Amino acid sequence: DTAVSQTPKYLVTQMGNDKSIKCEQNLGHDTMYWYKQDSKKFLKIMFSYNNKELIINETVPNRFSPKSPDKAHLNLHINSLELGDSAVYFCASSQDQRGSSYNEQFFGPGTRLTVL
Amino acid sequence: LAKTTQPISMDSYEGQEVNITCSHNNIATNDYITWYQQFPSQGPRFIIQGYKTKVTNEVASLFIPADRKSSTLSLPRVSLSDTAVYYCLVGMLGTGRRALTFGSGTRLQVQP
Repeated sequence: DTAVSQTPKYLVTQMGNDKSIKCEQNLGHDTMYWYKQDSKKFLKIMFSYNNKELIINETVPNRFSPKSPDKAHLNLHINSLELGDSAVYFCASSQDQRGSSYNEQFFGPGTRLTVL
Repeated sequence: LAKTTQPISMDSYEGQEVNITCSHNNIATNDYITWYQQFPSQGPRFIIQGYKTKVTNEVASLFIPADRKSSTLSLPRVSLSDTAVYYCLVGMLGTGRRALTFGSGTRLQVQP
């Protein structure tokens, strides 16, 4: 059974389009994340949700909007796609970490987004 | 944020022990040190976490000196399947994004 799953795995689209990436975790975790990994392999946090509440929102263009319908799902919607949005996007989850010293995150397989 | 510095790449041969050192000079009192492994086309995978001295699990050991300004991930008897990028993170998830900053990582290449 896949712990953290993402769809689609690959996404090729034109500039200016709007697209969504879906993420689901079956681990019962309270916290979910979105990361972006660029061509240089730097992995940067974008958003974090805890029990459907946004707790981390890095300096990300407002064309990116996360949506959490329930604590098992965190979707990423991107409006007006640009060439620079091409990257691999990873979803991750962890147990509720507030006050905890445990830092294990479980990552999904990634979604490779290519904007033409 | 506690910045981490790792070697960009390392080479090794099968059966050897590999030690990857991470520097984190401005580590805070509450920060933990966490290591992840990432294979090509996959998400990172948790390897080990520690606060001080030594931690060992079935995959690796983590050595942390008393001043905690660095840490060393030790992989015993590596195999070809250990070829991956290894990331050192410093912080604590419960305090926000401090433990969510992945550096550039160390690309380990294991040869036969």
